Amino acid sequence: LAKTTQPISMDSYEGQEVNITCSHNNIATNDYITWYQQFPSQGPRFIIQGYKTKVTNEVASLFIPADRKSSTLSLPRVSLSDTAVYYCLVGVLTGGGADGLTFGKGTHLIIQP
Amino acid sequence: DTGVSQDPRHKITKRGQNVTFRCDPISEHNRLYWYRQTLGQGPEFLTYFQNEAQLEKSRLLSDRFSAERPKGSFSTLEIQRTEQGDSAMYLCASSSPGQAGNTIYFGEGSWLTVV
Repeated sequence: LAKTTQPISMDSYEGQEVNITCSHNNIATNDYITWYQQFPSQGPRFIIQGYKTKVTNEVASLFIPADRKSSTLSLPRVSLSDTAVYYCLVGVLTGGGADGLTFGKGTHLIIQP
Repeated sequence: DTGVSQDPRHKITKRGQNVTFRCDPISEHNRLYWYRQTLGQGPEFLTYFQNEAQLEKSRLLSDRFSAERPKGSFSTLEIQRTEQGDSAMYLCASSSPGQAGNTIYFGEGSWLTVV
């Protein structure tokens, strides 16, 4: 079973900031949180990874509260090309076994003009 | 290109035939993973290797599926006696456990259509 829960879909508009939250109540001490983006007919693309607090790169920010039971992917000023499915993955082989490698259904983000 | 490479990208086969997919991981990565993905679903874990050792297999990996990584570099995934339900995208990924977080990087996938 996937260790994560995300909203099935979200809508937003170009130029807006989008926040997608993932719940992972059973996160283990050594687990990292990783987010991926996937376009149709392509493999998932790594976006960002974090362990605690805040991580930022050129594409996104990842916010992780102190209890680490959830995380929020923040996409600044989205464009139409950000329309994709976003997955969070928790605990890749840091104790979760195959469960840590199991994706949920992801969040289908639709950006409108 | 130093990413994960998969071949072929597309394969159409008749039911009952065998098919084989190849994956070349990122060169310094010693872990290699296979996933399957059908339309509207997230990737489903099938199996993974550390070097040449196959360490975990999902219950989804029936006895018609076999994966190998004989020299700890490239890997093959073979499906014997294909069924229409095997139609999916097969994804390969790799990682380096020495890297904090063991980030998995995916290839572009191999599409299988069984007719």
